[in-house]
Amino acid sequence: GAVVSQHPSWVICKSGTSVKIECRSLDFQATTMFWYRQFPKQSLMLMATSNEGSKATYEQGVEKDKFLINHASLTLSTLTVTSAHPEDSSFYICSARGTSSVGGHEQFFGPGTRLTVL
Amino acid sequence: RKEVEQDPGPFNVPEGATVAFNCTYSNSASQSFFWYRQDCRKEPKLLMSVYSSGNEDGRFTAQLNRASQYISLLIRDSKLSDSATYLCVVILGTGGFKTIFGAGTRLFVKA
Repeated sequence: GAVVSQHPSWVICKSGTSVKIECRSLDFQATTMFWYRQFPKQSLMLMATSNEGSKATYEQGVEKDKFLINHASLTLSTLTVTSAHPEDSSFYICSARGTSSVGGHEQFFGPGTRLTVL
Repeated sequence: RKEVEQDPGPFNVPEGATVAFNCTYSNSASQSFFWYRQDCRKEPKLLMSVYSSGNEDGRFTAQLNRASQYISLLIRDSKLSDSATYLCVVILGTGGFKTIFGAGTRLFVKA
């Protein structure tokens, strides 16, 4: 399957700082990238969907000014958690979907970033 | 009603057992269907696609019933390494191919 990388794999930061997470599709062009958050023993929660070159679409309840998403190229999307607080501690996972519009709708996930805010 | 529903389990089975998971979806515009597997503290990984004609990959068989709007996954001869959460995923054919994830079914295979 296609490969998606995510960096960093884990980060510990102080409350109030901003954290940037990168998501890259390594061997395919991703027109759409997704950002999820997952709390322990809970299911994936979609935060936002981003299409290359356009603004991200955020799910209800997700603050767009707090979770800044940039999808500047077909292989890179970034999520910046601004002014992080302990309640933002979670497992953040990105996924990417290719350019095919017929079949090939599956998403490929990055390995995730475990964020701990002290 | 949730768009994609799965029995959360957990399913506790002995090695060698056959286990089946079902998943129902509510939107008839659903176009593509997948099963993903997620290990503890890891990202979901694509297990297999699901077709109306059925899809088999080794010990795993997936089926789609469009009329009843459900998807199934059958695991034969369970291994300890099959222990994971299995996510049912549905992609709507409208609205930019929106992806809907089920909450997952937890499977524990014990020796």
